[in-house]
Amino acid sequence: DVKVTQSSRYLVKRTGEKVFLECVQDMDHENMFWYRQDPGLGLRLIYFSYDVKMKEKGDIPEGYSVSREKKERFSLILESASTNQTSMYLCASSFGILSGGSRSYEQYFGPGTRLTVT
Amino acid sequence: DQQVKQNSPSLSVQEGRISILNCDYTNSMFDYFLWYKKYPAEGPTFLISISSIKDKNEDGRFTVFLNKSAKHLSLHIVPSQPGDSAVYFCAASPYSGGYQKVTFGTGTKLQVIP
Repeated sequence: DVKVTQSSRYLVKRTGEKVFLECVQDMDHENMFWYRQDPGLGLRLIYFSYDVKMKEKGDIPEGYSVSREKKERFSLILESASTNQTSMYLCASSFGILSGGSRSYEQYFGPGTRLTVT
Repeated sequence: DQQVKQNSPSLSVQEGRISILNCDYTNSMFDYFLWYKKYPAEGPTFLISISSIKDKNEDGRFTVFLNKSAKHLSLHIVPSQPGDSAVYFCAASPYSGGYQKVTFGTGTKLQVIP
């Protein structure tokens, strides 16, 4: 079974703090993603990475950065946390091209980190 | 700009009846569609998918229908069970090189009443 783990289930931080959210996957997936989930807004993509040291902005990258130094680990960084970044953060991973040459779109999600910024 | 829309935030269905969850999209470049299920305090899990070359895909009690001309898809659950109570997200992806960015809808909370 694919396992995606996130470093914390719940986190409380103060405004202005630098926050690190860690995600690790154990399936050698090429792609990794960070989303935030908010009521009425669904899942919105913050950043994704399709290879080590590669990253692409998603739909809402402002106020965030990411790091992928190793294939299995993808970190989300809140440079200076603000109250509007209070949210559920979800990490996901997926294969890129499967062995038969077809694409894989299915993403495997971690359990999420509920971040509260006060 | 919400490219994937789930206009019903919630749905209640009696156990044993059919649940129909709807999803509309606006981006004609989308060519692969997925449904995910999410329980509280858990990450979403993949449920079923469909490629744009098909109009129907079945997996047990779950069937997804795709109407490309209407840019509409739906998920049918028959028969509905209390364990199906969850939030369901529709998602879509375009053909896009080597990596697959997926756009999610806002979700529909399904309650199956015993």
